[in-house]
Parts: sequence; structure tokens; C-alpha cells
Amino acid sequence: NAGVTQTPKFQVLKTGQSMTLQCAQDMNHEYMSWYRQDPGMGLRLIHYSVGAGITDQGEVPNGYNVSRSTTEDFPLRLLSAAPSQTSVYFCASGLAGGRNEQFFGPGTRLTVL
Amino acid sequence: DAKTTQPPSMDCAEGRAANLPCNHSTISGNEYVYWYRQIHSQGPQYIIHGLKNNETNEMASLIITEDRKSSTLILPHATLRDTAVYYCIVRAPPIKAAGNKLTFGGGTRVLVKP
Repeated sequence: NAGVTQTPKFQVLKTGQSMTLQCAQDMNHEYMSWYRQDPGMGLRLIHYSVGAGITDQGEVPNGYNVSRSTTEDFPLRLLSAAPSQTSVYFCASGLAGGRNEQFFGPGTRLTVL
Repeated sequence: DAKTTQPPSMDCAEGRAANLPCNHSTISGNEYVYWYRQIHSQGPQYIIHGLKNNETNEMASLIITEDRKSSTLILPHATLRDTAVYYCIVRAPPIKAAGNKLTFGGGTRVLVKP
């Protein structure tokens, strides 16, 4: 299994540009989520999904959109990038039951100029 | 989910046990204690979790006090690769409709020294 994969690893945007961060998992997990981590801070939840076709907002959803058309993929869209969105973005997936362990991807480092 | 309090940083000697405390005095009866760690620039990694009994796996041991208001993560023989930020998270079992969210605090920055 590849686990949770994220692309790209690095990205530089100009203010106002849009882009999509990709996240995929091959573990057939129901739950997927996006977090952002600002320097020296803990992770904050942006959006999450409990299954294909179902998404909901987390703690800091403004400026981001998500969709979940398949179990495997959970892309995060930045509609109009702002410098405040400069951060490291982590995608995670997990099962509904069991020990509820979540698996995190390697992250995407985004800089908005 | 209950709030947790951890020391911001601690040092540990390589080869010695590292004992990481976590206070969660407002924990509810159905809430679990989870530990994750984040090695520099990487995504967080699950370590262990427990409800009331002590737990051990290949990475660490988790000791939960009888009143469940605090816990200690023990890395039995710390190595340089254990240098990371360790997060203690308290959460109830996920309800499908509400997702499997984790709330990260500041964590404890552990530096393992040679």
C-alpha cells in the first residue's frame, strides 16, 4: 500500500490564484480530512469527509472547498489564494471503527506571495 | 473533546526512558487518550491510545491514572529518531456522521540527546 499520498510537495502561488491540492489513499478508509499547520503551531482541521459524497467543515474552512466523489480521493481547492493561507497542508485518512488511528500524508508546503 | 495540558518541551538522554506527561482533568467517561508524534516536517504518526487500562505496543507504553485525569507516555529506550513533537489528544469514539476529527494542541517538543 502507498498509504496517503499528497501532491504537490511544494507550491508557490500569487495572491488571487486558485489551485487544487491532491490527496489519495489506497486503504479503503471512510474518513478523510485536511489539516493546516502554521509555523510553530498544532494542526487545525479545515474540512473532513465521512464517505464518498459527504463532506463537512472543520475549524478553519473559509477560503477552501472540498469534494469527495470517490472513496480514494479528497482534493482541497483554494479558491483565491491569500498570504494567510501560507502553511503546510496535511491530508489524513482513517477507519470508522477499531482503534480510530489516522494516517497522515507527507504534506504540501504552500507559499502565497 | 476534553482539553489537554502538556509541558512545551523536554530533553531526554539517548538510551534512557522518556516519560511524557499529559493532564486531562476534564476527561469524560467515554473519552480515549491518544498519542501522536510529528517528526520534523513530516505528517503526524499514531503512537498508542487507551481508555482506562495501561497499554503497550512496539513503540511505547501508556500509563493512565486510576482517576483518568492524567496519563504518561513512556518511550522505553529513546533514540535520536524519537526527537519529535508529541501530542496528547483526548477524544470520544467517533460518530460516523461527525467524522474522526483530531484536535491538536501545542504538544511537547522532545529532544533526545546523545
